[in-house]
Amino acid sequence: DAGVIQSPRHEVTEMGQEVTLRCKPISGHDYLFWYRQTMMRGLELLIYFNNNVPIDDSGMPEDRFSAKMPNASFSTLKIQPSEPRDSAVYFCASSLAAAGEETQYFGPGTRLLVL
Amino acid sequence: GENVEQHPSTLSVQEGDSAVIKCTYSDSASNYFPWYKQELGKRPQLIIDIRSNVGEKKDQRIAVTLNKTAKHFSLHITETQPEDSAVYFCAASNQGVDDMRFGAGTRLTVKP
Repeated sequence: DAGVIQSPRHEVTEMGQEVTLRCKPISGHDYLFWYRQTMMRGLELLIYFNNNVPIDDSGMPEDRFSAKMPNASFSTLKIQPSEPRDSAVYFCASSLAAAGEETQYFGPGTRLLVL
Repeated sequence: GENVEQHPSTLSVQEGDSAVIKCTYSDSASNYFPWYKQELGKRPQLIIDIRSNVGEKKDQRIAVTLNKTAKHFSLHITETQPEDSAVYFCAASNQGVDDMRFGAGTRLTVKP
C-alpha cells in the first residue's frame, strides 16, 4: 500500500481564495483524521471521520473550514475564504480502528501558505 | 477533554548520551500513549506506543514508561545518534473517545 496520500503537497494562494486539500486514506482504514500543524499551536486535531461519517468537528477553527468524506477512499478539507493565519501544514491520517486501538498513519502533509 | 503537556520543549544532548522526554495527561480514562518522531519537513511517524495495561515497553534504543497513578509517561532514548535529531510528539487517547491529543513537541538535537 502506498500509505496515506495527500495533494497538493504545497499550496500558495492569496487571501480570500478557496483552498481544497485532498486525502486518500490507506485502503481498509475506517478512520480518517485531519490535523493542522503550526509552530505556535503544535499539532491540532481538526475533525475525524468514522466510516465516512464526521464524528467530531469541534477542532475546526471557524465556519470557513469544512470537510467531507464522500466515500471510503477520499476526503477533502476546504477553506473558504482563506486567510493568512490559515498558513500551516495540514496532515491527514488514517487508522484501522479507534485512536486507542490502532496506530494512526500520517500522510506527507500539505504545506499551505496564504499571502 | 484530554490535555497533554510535554517537557522539555527543546533538548540538546551529546551523541551517546541518553535523552528523556516527559508527558503528563489529564484524562484518567486515557489508555493509549503513542510517541511520534517528526523529522524536518516530514510527516509524524510512530516510533513506539504503550497501552495502559503495561508499565514499560522497550524497542532497541527506545523505551517508554507509563505511570497511570501519576498520569505521566516518558520516552527514553539511549545511546543517542545524530539521526535521532527530530521533533518528538507524545499523544494520549481514550479508546472509547476515538480522538487523540498531542503534546506540543520536543525538539531533540544530538550533537556529534
